[in-house]
Amino acid sequence: EDQVTQSPEALRLQEGESSSLNCSYTVSGLRGLFWYRQDPGKGPEFLFTLYSAGEEKEKERLKATLTKKESFLHITAPKPEDSATYLCAVRVTGNQFYFGTGTSLTVIP
Amino acid sequence: GAVVSQHPSRVICKSGTSVKIECRSLDFQATTMFWYRQFPKKSLMLMATSNEGSKATYEQGVEKDKFLINHASLTLSTLTVTSAHPEDSSFYICSARQGDSPLHFGNGTRLTVT
Repeated sequence: EDQVTQSPEALRLQEGESSSLNCSYTVSGLRGLFWYRQDPGKGPEFLFTLYSAGEEKEKERLKATLTKKESFLHITAPKPEDSATYLCAVRVTGNQFYFGTGTSLTVIP
Repeated sequence: GAVVSQHPSRVICKSGTSVKIECRSLDFQATTMFWYRQFPKKSLMLMATSNEGSKATYEQGVEKDKFLINHASLTLSTLTVTSAHPEDSSFYICSARQGDSPLHFGNGTRLTVT
C-alpha cells in the first residue's frame, strides 16, 4: 500500500538551532516528491519538487534532499517566521498524490 | 506565478442550506483541479479530482450528490455543499495544476454549519 509518513509530528527549536524533518515513503513508482509549508488557516504553499535520488533543492534556510526511501527537509539557523506545518507529498501516477500528516515546527526566539 | 484564489475564506451557514466555494487559477490554465478536506492536525483528504469540461471523479466515501463539483473552465472550479449539516463543518482547500506541474493550493475555506 502506498504510504507517506512524516516525523517528528511536532518539533520545537530555539532560534538558530538547525534540524531536519523526515518524510519516508513506500510507493510503487515515485513520480515526484513535493514539500509544502502550511501556515494556520491557510492553504499549503509550494516549496520544492524532487524527482530522483540524490537530488537536492535549496531556498533560503531550507534544503530538501531525496533518497530512494525518504526525503529530508533541513532547516539551517531557523527563525521564528519559519514556524509552520511542513507537509510532504508524493506523486505516484497521473494525478495521484499522497500526503503525509505534516510536521508542526515551532521556532522559539 | 501559479496563484490559486479561493473564496470565501470563511462562511457560516444554517443546517439544511447550501454553500458554494469558488476556486480560480489566476495566472495559469488549470487542466486539473482538486478538492480537499482537512481536519485539525490531520492530513489533506482528497475529495474529488476534476478536469475541465468533464465530470469530477470522487474518492470512495465522498457523496457526489452532497458535494457538487463543477469545473466549467480552465480557470474556475466550484464546490457546492448541498443540504449542509454540522458534520460538514471543516476546512476545504482546492488545488490546481497545469499539465505536469506541482499542485498549487488556494487559501482554504473554513465552513461552519450551525
